[in-house]
Amino acid sequence: AQTVTQSQPEMSVQEAETVTLSCTYDTSESDYYLFWYKQPPSRQMILVIRQEAYKQQNATENRFSVNFQKAAKSFSLKISDSQLGDAAMYFCGEGTYKYIFGTGTRLKVLA
Amino acid sequence: DAGVIQSPRHEVTEMGQEVTLRCKPISGHDYLFWYRQTMMRGLELLIYFNNNVPIDDSGMPEDRFSAKMPNASFSTLKIQPSEPRDSAVYFCASSLGPRDLEGYTFGSGTRLTVV
Repeated sequence: AQTVTQSQPEMSVQEAETVTLSCTYDTSESDYYLFWYKQPPSRQMILVIRQEAYKQQNATENRFSVNFQKAAKSFSLKISDSQLGDAAMYFCGEGTYKYIFGTGTRLKVLA
Repeated sequence: DAGVIQSPRHEVTEMGQEVTLRCKPISGHDYLFWYRQTMMRGLELLIYFNNNVPIDDSGMPEDRFSAKMPNASFSTLKIQPSEPRDSAVYFCASSLGPRDLEGYTFGSGTRLTVV
């Protein structure tokens, strides 16, 4: 069965600092994808970063990068140089045809 | 494309009433998904369709919930009768499939309140 666990309900980071959000998952699939989505107060779901499980190289998108540990089934998100606009709920997801998401981590950015 | 369009944005209804949520996916997307978001459970997948055919409805909580996709450009999620515990934000999403580099495109969601 697919499961995704985000063990940090809430995190805080000082503006311009770096923060890491944790995510672990379980799947029986050999070929799958991992995602981080951002949900600001507007409620819109925005794709932050995507990782193919067969790729060893960690995905990066500007200030966002992941640490993908396939054997450990871990997929953490690192946000560098945090900005006030990064404040949001972040969801980790896993899947192939259907995505399963965790319960989310609320990130607060302190000025 | 205008993206995934959901209506209504907000819905308040009384317990026992029928509620219908609507979704128009992005043209050309073969997959359509319905999710429910609550504080306690996060984002739960309710059901998904491929080429208008329901593939997996194992997340539908009860028989009170039903979903249809009569054509490639329209889907509905119906709750009958509604209960206060159905209060949540319901999202519709669409995609090209597993290899869609854009992942899912989500609608803006419908906030349902059952009083």
